Amino acid sequence: NAGVTQTPKFRVLKTGQSMTLLCAQDMNHEYMYWYRQDPGMGLRLIHYSVGEGTTAKGEVPDGYNVSRLKKQNFLLGLESAAPSQTSVYFCASSSPPERSGYTFGSGTRLTVV
Amino acid sequence: QQQVKQSPQSLIVQKGGISIINCAYENTAFDYFPWYQQFPGKGPALLIAIRPDVSEKKEGRFTISFNKSAKQFSLHIMDSQPGDSATYFCAAQPRTAGNKLTFGGGTRVLVKP
Repeated sequence: NAGVTQTPKFRVLKTGQSMTLLCAQDMNHEYMYWYRQDPGMGLRLIHYSVGEGTTAKGEVPDGYNVSRLKKQNFLLGLESAAPSQTSVYFCASSSPPERSGYTFGSGTRLTVV
Repeated sequence: QQQVKQSPQSLIVQKGGISIINCAYENTAFDYFPWYQQFPGKGPALLIAIRPDVSEKKEGRFTISFNKSAKQFSLHIMDSQPGDSATYFCAAQPRTAGNKLTFGGGTRVLVKP
């Protein structure tokens, strides 16, 4: 089925470890986003991309890096995980025209101990 | 500091009742206001959206009311059903490239049979 696929679905990390979350979309969308979801905080934008080879910071970018080498993939990296990064991470995509809705993945639940 | 404030955090309503969720924003650059619905273990999905040039938009049992002067908007779920039990997020988007959304904190709605 067409959509946004996130891997892995669950992960437990130790403080200081690194990992990469992968997001893949097969809808040929130009824009891709990484959000984190925390109770009572809604979804907060970490980084986003408006096209292949581009990335930009969102609201809460510290401690994360991203890359978009291919249009269909958007990678989120944690270089040195901290307990404050325990969260559910969602990838989403959308496309012009502006005001089109997002298609979200099903999320990655990350716990940092 | 949330740019979009959502209330209440949780809501319990009887089957057939009306669920009302309110959101307020400060940034006058916002000009598109979608609502997303999220079921447990899933990513959010676009439910309904409104632009500020209209005061109300209705789709089935879901209605958005918009008050531009007060910078407030709300979601009304009429004839609430147990299948409507989910978390609802309001969001706002400015007129800039990238379709970036700023989300409210979310409202968990439980519809009792």
